[in-house]
Amino acid sequence: NAGVMQNPRHLVRRRGQEARLRCSPMKGHSHVYWYRQLPEEGLKFMVYLQKENIIDESGMPKERFSAEFPKEGPSILRIQQVVRGDSAAYFCASSAQGIGEQYFGPGTRLTVT
Amino acid sequence: AQSVAQPEDQVNVAEGNPLTVKCTYSVSGNPYLFWYVQYPNRGLQFLLKYITGDNLVKGSYGFEAEFNKSQTSFHLKKPSALVSDSALYFCAGENRDDKIIFGKGTRLHILP
Repeated sequence: NAGVMQNPRHLVRRRGQEARLRCSPMKGHSHVYWYRQLPEEGLKFMVYLQKENIIDESGMPKERFSAEFPKEGPSILRIQQVVRGDSAAYFCASSAQGIGEQYFGPGTRLTVT
Repeated sequence: AQSVAQPEDQVNVAEGNPLTVKCTYSVSGNPYLFWYVQYPNRGLQFLLKYITGDNLVKGSYGFEAEFNKSQTSFHLKKPSALVSDSALYFCAGENRDDKIIFGKGTRLHILP
């Protein structure tokens, strides 16, 4: 059973471009979480999705960030018009239920130049 | 292999009593250590972290954790438990390569 997959592992974007980060949950998992990690900081929760629904987006910046988890395909975290402050590692996790162990992907490291 | 262990699947504590949730780590170098809490149908929420300095770290909601290098432990504590503290708690370690390693989680039940 493959674990949580994220791609790309490394993404470089110039200021103003769009970044798309993909997350494929573990087989059988319908709950996906996105987190952002800044240097020497812990994980900061961004958004929690189930298939086709956003359950909790209280950690998402109000502008430029969006997330989706379609019926088919991976979950996408989209950052429009990236700025240098968006540079961070973005982790996705999945779980089988809304409460329980989350399995983390390897992360996508976004660098904005 | 690097690992973070939470030896207890579940901890039951009476309201008002002190609580401890245990965590030990085996992470290379001088790791950063974290505690997170998860409430039903929510993502992980950051509680506290140890980077360097004072071994006793204070965090959100009255929680604290003590870093013990000789015992490679980072137990989470609270002097007086509340029913609302009932949740799933995760310990995590991060090495200098930014790799995050999570424990399995401990379910905390505070009994009224």
